[in-house]
Amino acid sequence: KQEVTQIPAALSVPEGENLVLNCSFTDSAIYNLQWFRQDPGKGLTSLLLIQSSQREQTSGRLNASLDKSSGRSTLYIAASQPGDSATYLCAVQGTGRRALTFGSGTRLQVQP
Amino acid sequence: GAVVSQHPSWVICKSGTSVKIECRSLDFQATTMFWYRQFPKQSLMLMATSNEGSKATYEQGVEKDKFLINHASLTLSTLTVTSAHPEDSSFYICSAKHSGGLYNEQFFGPGTRLTVL
Repeated sequence: KQEVTQIPAALSVPEGENLVLNCSFTDSAIYNLQWFRQDPGKGLTSLLLIQSSQREQTSGRLNASLDKSSGRSTLYIAASQPGDSATYLCAVQGTGRRALTFGSGTRLQVQP
Repeated sequence: GAVVSQHPSWVICKSGTSVKIECRSLDFQATTMFWYRQFPKQSLMLMATSNEGSKATYEQGVEKDKFLINHASLTLSTLTVTSAHPEDSSFYICSAKHSGGLYNEQFFGPGTRLTVL
């Protein structure tokens, strides 16, 4: 059974810092991995999707990497802003399972 | 493109009543939709996979007679919480897999917050 772990569970940084969020998964037989953002009481916003054959994806200040063999992904946020404050969720789609398995999330607070 | 809507966005009901939540893919067809549940300060947990024209597949521990799923068309799936109780209070989120999509990407609805008094 796939398990997804995110570290740290919470993170507080001053505005302008670069930061890295970590995600690990136990079964490397994945189809893709997605990073989402969730604001309090809201739904999910998809940030980046990495196919299993890809190593990284970039969108603006965000860069996500994937090392399938080691079961790890990182989300790099450059020059953090207070508006980046949210919970970031990592989710994987296995090759044999169409639904996503989510990690427990990292709650990020960027202080002005 | 690839927008998924949910209705209602929030609902408060008395214990024992049934609540129906709709999930619609607005600009694409989805043969498969998924229903997730999120309790406060927890992550999303898959409840069931909804397949158009066939029975839903439920995850272990999810009561199929309590959480009725109907996927009657390629753009609509409904989740009915029957005889709701306070422990069913949660955030319910659906996602839809684009039938013609290239990367199996799932698109999520905005969620429905259910509070059972």
